[in-house]
Amino acid sequence: DSGVTQTPKHLITATGQRVTLRCSPRSGDLSVYWYQQSLDQGLQFLIQYYNGEERAKGNILERFSAQQFPDLHSELNLSSLELGDSALYFCASSAGQGSSEAFFGQGTRLTVV
Amino acid sequence: AQSVSQHNHHVILSEAASLELGCNYSYGGTVNLFWYVQYPGQHLQLLLKYFSGDPLVKGIKGFEAEFIKSKFSFNLRKPSVQWSDTAEYFCAVNAHDNDMRFGAGTRLTVKP
Repeated sequence: DSGVTQTPKHLITATGQRVTLRCSPRSGDLSVYWYQQSLDQGLQFLIQYYNGEERAKGNILERFSAQQFPDLHSELNLSSLELGDSALYFCASSAGQGSSEAFFGQGTRLTVV
Repeated sequence: AQSVSQHNHHVILSEAASLELGCNYSYGGTVNLFWYVQYPGQHLQLLLKYFSGDPLVKGIKGFEAEFIKSKFSFNLRKPSVQWSDTAEYFCAVNAHDNDMRFGAGTRLTVKP
């Protein structure tokens, strides 16, 4: 158990809908990362938050947004969903200091039908 | 911005063969380097990490990696792979700005 909790584990929704994925980082970790993993694209970095502020942005679509709350949990919002958004979404957390590794959650498998 | 390149998308080996997976990064400053493994249906787990000191790092399950600063490389090796090593392997880099980046991953298939 990595200490990173993601909910829900599975989500099935229709095209055009909006979903929210939730991530609770390890206790004490200030940094949260979101990744999308699909068969054709591999592991894609979406966005990083550090202590509530956006730190870095990767290949995140405009239809997607995220935030990190004062209690350090994070949510990834995906809207106007398309079939191609079906993927495994991972959250990872790290202490946010220089020499810190990232710990991954179990992921949320999103299926858009 | 820093980036991480993994040269092989898919590697297929027979059991007992030796493994070397390439990883190169582009960042001029001090970096911390990691290899993660993702077994089928599971999340990414840390295999080994390099922060400083001896550039040859030993990890779990007989894996090791060598940091060659002049080549900006951190290749993963294992002398003799097993069927249970079938997984996807990700190289990752983070620097002082705490911006962790992963390579695209290399899928390893070990045939029994």
